[in-house]
Formats: sequence, C-alpha cells, structure tokens
Amino acid sequence: GNSVTQMEGPVTLSEEAFLTINCTYTATGYPSLFWYVQYPGEGLQLLLKATKADDKGSNKGFEATYRKETTSFHLEKGSVQVSDSAVYFCALTGDYKLSFGAGTTVTVRA
Amino acid sequence: DTGVSQDPRHKITKRGQNVTFRCDPISEHNRLYWYRQTLGQGPEFLTYFQNEAQLEKSRLLSDRFSAERPKGSFSTLEIQRTEQGDSAMYLCASSSRTGVTEAFFGQGTRLTVV
Repeated sequence: GNSVTQMEGPVTLSEEAFLTINCTYTATGYPSLFWYVQYPGEGLQLLLKATKADDKGSNKGFEATYRKETTSFHLEKGSVQVSDSAVYFCALTGDYKLSFGAGTTVTVRA
Repeated sequence: DTGVSQDPRHKITKRGQNVTFRCDPISEHNRLYWYRQTLGQGPEFLTYFQNEAQLEKSRLLSDRFSAERPKGSFSTLEIQRTEQGDSAMYLCASSSRTGVTEAFFGQGTRLTVV
C-alpha cells in the first residue's frame, strides 16, 4: 500500500535560516504529492502540490520537487520567518484518499 | 461558502456514551472524507463518500463507528459506546471530482473520552 516517511522533528531554527524537511514515499503507480501545513489552533491547509515526476510545487517561499528516481518530495524554504512555525505534513494520493506522514513540528525563533 | 465546517469543535464524553459529529463540506464538492488524527501522528483515513454513496471504509473503522451522508450534502460520524482509545481529533475533508484530488480540511472535532 501507499506510505509516507517524514523526517522526525521537532525542528528549531532561527529566523532567516534555511529549512529542509525530508519526505520519501512508497506507492504503486504515479501518485500526486502534497505538503500540508497546520498552524497552531488551525486546520490542515494545502501548502503545495506536484502531480508528476520533476514537477516543482511552490507557495509562500516553500518549494518541493517530485523526484521519482529517489521517491522523494523534500520541502525547502530559503529564509524562514517566525510565522512559519507550524506542523508540516507530507502526503500522497494515488486515487482519492490521502496517506500522510507523521508530521514535523517546526519552531522558528526570532 | 467559506470552507469545510465541523461541529462541535470539542466534545468531552464519558466512556460508553454515544457521540455524533457533523461535517458540512464545500458546497460544490461531491467527495467527502473522514480522517482521525492522534497526537504526534498524521491523519489516518477512515471513510470516503462520493455524493451519498459510502465507497470505502478503513479497517480502522470498527463496528461502533458509522458514517452517513444523506442526499450527498452534510455528513455525520457517529461513535457508539465510546472507549478511551477513541480520543482523537476527527477531521473532515472535501474535494471535487475533477483534477487532482486536492482535499480541503475542516478544523476538526476534538473528542476526549473520560
């Protein structure tokens, strides 16, 4: 079945630091890949997505590239802000339902 | 339409009681999902509706759990004879049938069984 393995946290960074959260997946066929974010006290929000190999998803300064050869979809941001403090979830879907990673808690200090 | 809404946001119940949660999806979305999230874990799929038809139920969903989506609009998730292990955040999501299945989530119902 489909599964997602995500870098364990928590991750604590200073403002303007570079952020990488690793995500690898196992899936049959050609899944679509997502990063969801959950800010404190809020629901899950889609951050970015990629639907085929070599696609790059981007939003709010975050980027992730769909790498079929390494089955990875690592999330990156070049300069984080305090407002980026949240829990980040990598997810995939092959049909209609999402399979999520365990989530990575990111805290950005001023 | 401002998004997926869930009610209640919080529920505390005694073990053995029944509880029911409601989800109102985005109005033009015909797909609706329920997920469960426990502390430190990602959401786990419970069940899926396309319009009013329940097309898949996870093995996680015991016989004490039942979900409905009458007329393909709102959905309810009922848990009978609650157990302490049912304590979790219950998330509802909806999506349209076309394109990539990008799901929009509600804020969830946090259930605490005491």
